[in-house]
Amino acid sequence: DTGVSQDPRHKITKRGQNVTFRCDPISEHNRLYWYRQTLGQGPEFLTYFQNEAQLEKSRLLSDRFSAERPKGSFSTLEIQRTEQGDSAMYLCASSLAGSLYNEQFFGPGTRLTVL
Amino acid sequence: ELKVEQNPLFLSMQEGKNYTIYCDYSTTSDRLYWYRQDPGKSLESLFVLLSNGAVKQEGRLMASLDTKARLSTLHITAAVHDLSATYFCAAQKRGTNAGKSTFGDGTTLTVKP
Repeated sequence: DTGVSQDPRHKITKRGQNVTFRCDPISEHNRLYWYRQTLGQGPEFLTYFQNEAQLEKSRLLSDRFSAERPKGSFSTLEIQRTEQGDSAMYLCASSLAGSLYNEQFFGPGTRLTVL
Repeated sequence: ELKVEQNPLFLSMQEGKNYTIYCDYSTTSDRLYWYRQDPGKSLESLFVLLSNGAVKQEGRLMASLDTKARLSTLHITAAVHDLSATYFCAAQKRGTNAGKSTFGDGTTLTVKP
């Protein structure tokens, strides 16, 4: 399978715990995006990387959120001291910089439930 | 700030009927995307529209773009049950090459026999 993969697919945690999600993009893609989607809404942009550089972060990304892409390949998104409001689907997407359509391909998502 | 609005948010159709979903965006955009999402699943790319007057068709779905009106439409022809899903449009702001997309809230389509 050469698509975007995410792990885990589901995560249930208690409020106050830390969680980490992983995203593996399509291998030749140098851009990687994180979005958050809550029920009944469209995905909201969180942050994106070009290679290993984090180039933009949304105001939605509070200090409790941190994302990394250390070698320009896979990325991790960590949420510290989780809150119930963090419950959502976290989507990762990748694309190829400079392509005409700049089309993003989405992974299956990680569904987070904070109890 | 780029804003994207879709309407309707919910659509119930009879099989065989036609309907159009509308997507308005607030500022000039480089690219307009349509996605499909099935319950509990991720987003599947349907169309990418770049220029004014662009029209793309795939099966019973046709997407168009009017950049002057800042409007895209997704037209459904002779709906079938398999088209039941949530459809999102997304836009990327002109002048930024980041590819960050702003999404509408989606149109949940239910096709009834």
